[in-house]
Amino acid sequence: KQEVTQIPAALSVPEGENLVLNCSFTDSAIYNLQWFRQDPGKGLTSLLLIQSSQREQTSGRLNASLDKSSGRSTLYIAASQPGDSATYLCAVSTSGGGADGLTFGKGTHLIIQP
Amino acid sequence: NAGVTQTPKFQVLKTGQSMTLQCAQDMNHEYMSWYRQDPGMGLRLIHYSVGAGITDQGEVPNGYNVSRSTTEDFPLRLLSAAPSQTSVYFCASSYAWRLAGQETQYFGPGTRLLVL
Repeated sequence: KQEVTQIPAALSVPEGENLVLNCSFTDSAIYNLQWFRQDPGKGLTSLLLIQSSQREQTSGRLNASLDKSSGRSTLYIAASQPGDSATYLCAVSTSGGGADGLTFGKGTHLIIQP
Repeated sequence: NAGVTQTPKFQVLKTGQSMTLQCAQDMNHEYMSWYRQDPGMGLRLIHYSVGAGITDQGEVPNGYNVSRSTTEDFPLRLLSAAPSQTSVYFCASSYAWRLAGQETQYFGPGTRLLVL
């Protein structure tokens, strides 16, 4: 059974710092990996999707990398801002062209101090 | 586009009552799914559908039913509510997985359910 772990569970840093969130998964046979953001009391917003054949994806100040063979992904946030405060979730799909849903980590709760 | 919509936003039920959580999307997505989110457990898949008339079970299907009569709608039915079903429920949709690069899942705002 696929298991996804996110470290750290919580992180508090001053505004302006660059930071890295980590995600690991036990079964390397993934189809893709997604990073989501969840604000308190809200739904999930997709940030980046990395196909299993890709090494990284970038969107603005966000960069996500994928090392499928070692079962790891990182989300790099550059020049953090208070508006980045949220819970960040990593999720993998192991369906090879199918659609059996995502396996989520429990998230990293990020606080950016002004 | 409204995206993925869910109703109600909040519901209180008594043990044994039944109800339907509504989910609709206007993006013509083939794939729709339901998750529940519990503290310390993360999000877990309840049921999913790859198209109208096709549904399947996820990780935690017991106590829930689904049907998919149209592409747009994917309701989740609680047959006889139990306190263990107190949770936040999210609906999600996406294009078919075979469309490489378009598998991004879009989530609704959630339904908070309290079962007393």
